[in-house]
Amino acid sequence: DIQMTQSPSSLSASVGDRVTITCRASQSISSFLNWYQQKPGKAPNLLIYTASTLQSGVPSRFSGGGSGTHFTLTISSLQPEDFATYYCQQGYTTPFTFGPGTKVDFK
Amino acid sequence: EVQLVESGGGLVKPGGSLRLSCAGSGFTFSSYDFNWVRQAPGKGLEWVSSISSTGGSLYYANSVRGRFTISRDNGKNSLYLHMNGLRAEDTAVYYCARDAKAIIGTPHDYWGQGTLVTVSS
Repeated sequence: DIQMTQSPSSLSASVGDRVTITCRASQSISSFLNWYQQKPGKAPNLLIYTASTLQSGVPSRFSGGGSGTHFTLTISSLQPEDFATYYCQQGYTTPFTFGPGTKVDFK
Repeated sequence: EVQLVESGGGLVKPGGSLRLSCAGSGFTFSSYDFNWVRQAPGKGLEWVSSISSTGGSLYYANSVRGRFTISRDNGKNSLYLHMNGLRAEDTAVYYCARDAKAIIGTPHDYWGQGTLVTVSS
């Protein structure tokens, strides 16, 4: 199985900050990498697919990059509604493993 | 409006069985692949199983293979997860999630609200 890791596991930030989350795969997954945002008590929400394509309706302050084994999710200017947990997921092969998540909270 | 609504969760004893359902509306159900994803209390997301649009291809996580069965009824716009041999570690919120159409890498573009399964004696 492909293992996904994320760093950091949590971070504290302020409104307006630039935030970057890293996701790594244990083997190459080309660009088959998705990012989700989850708020407490809610279902996850798709933000980015195929590493860098913004899902319809997602604000442009979110961006994704990378390929192979190293990927990033960047929020260019953190907004109050962005405080949440972010998960990466590989869509290269089953099992479609998720990363352990990165919790973004208030500094 | 796309909607996915799960049902069937509840409290079950170890070794017991349960069937989860997910009803889809607002889109052509039979055109999409689907997944079950679970989240144990306070933990991260775990992909559980996938089924192709026709039901001809099925995939499972190692942790549930041989105990869980995914199925669908396109005539009823419904997805199912039959769970047997339940264990305490299967306790989680179970989400159904639709795969985005014609996009490689299986992004899950719509999710249900989840249904809680608790396995305890």
